[in-house]
Amino acid sequence: DIQLTQSPSFLSASVGNRVTITCRASQGINSYLAWYQQKPGKAPKLLIYAASTLQSGVPSRFSGSGSGTEFTLTISSLQPEDFATYYCQQLNSYPQSFGQGTKLEIK
Amino acid sequence: EVQLVESGGGLVKSGGSLRLSCAASGFSFSTYNMNWVRQAPGKGLEWVSSISATYSPYIDYADSVKGRFTISRDNAKNSLYLQMNSLRAEDTAVYYCARALTSVAGIDYWGQGTLVTVSS
Repeated sequence: DIQLTQSPSFLSASVGNRVTITCRASQGINSYLAWYQQKPGKAPKLLIYAASTLQSGVPSRFSGSGSGTEFTLTISSLQPEDFATYYCQQLNSYPQSFGQGTKLEIK
Repeated sequence: EVQLVESGGGLVKSGGSLRLSCAASGFSFSTYNMNWVRQAPGKGLEWVSSISATYSPYIDYADSVKGRFTISRDNAKNSLYLQMNSLRAEDTAVYYCARALTSVAGIDYWGQGTLVTVSS
């Protein structure tokens, strides 16, 4: 089974900052990686799929990159509504798996 | 508008069973792969099961539920199901019904979730 490890697990940043979250896979997953944002009490929201494709309606300050085993989610200029928990998910093979999450908090 | 509405959650004793349902609307249900994803209280997301859109659907399960949970779909009723047997305390979670954008692109629509609580 493929394990995904996100780093950091917690991140404190200020509005306007640029932040990057990393997701590492225990084996190669091509570009079959998605990123989600989840706010408390809400269902997750798809941000990025196929490692770098922005889902419709998602602001362009979100971007994704990577292939193989290392991937990144970057938010170019944090907005107040971006403070949330972020998850990566691999869809290369079953069983599908999620990273443990990165909680982004306001500094 | 795409809508996924789960039902069937509740409180059950360890070893018991529950059947979750998901009513889908606003899209051609039969043409999409569907998933169940769960989230234990205060914890991260866990993929539970997927079923493909094909006539003879491909099905898979997380190791943690294999042999105890059964996913199924009724395309005529635009509905997804999860039969959960031999429930354990560690199955306590919010269960989300979720539509796959494609089989490898991730989940683009989620239900509001239904809470399953397994008491020991």
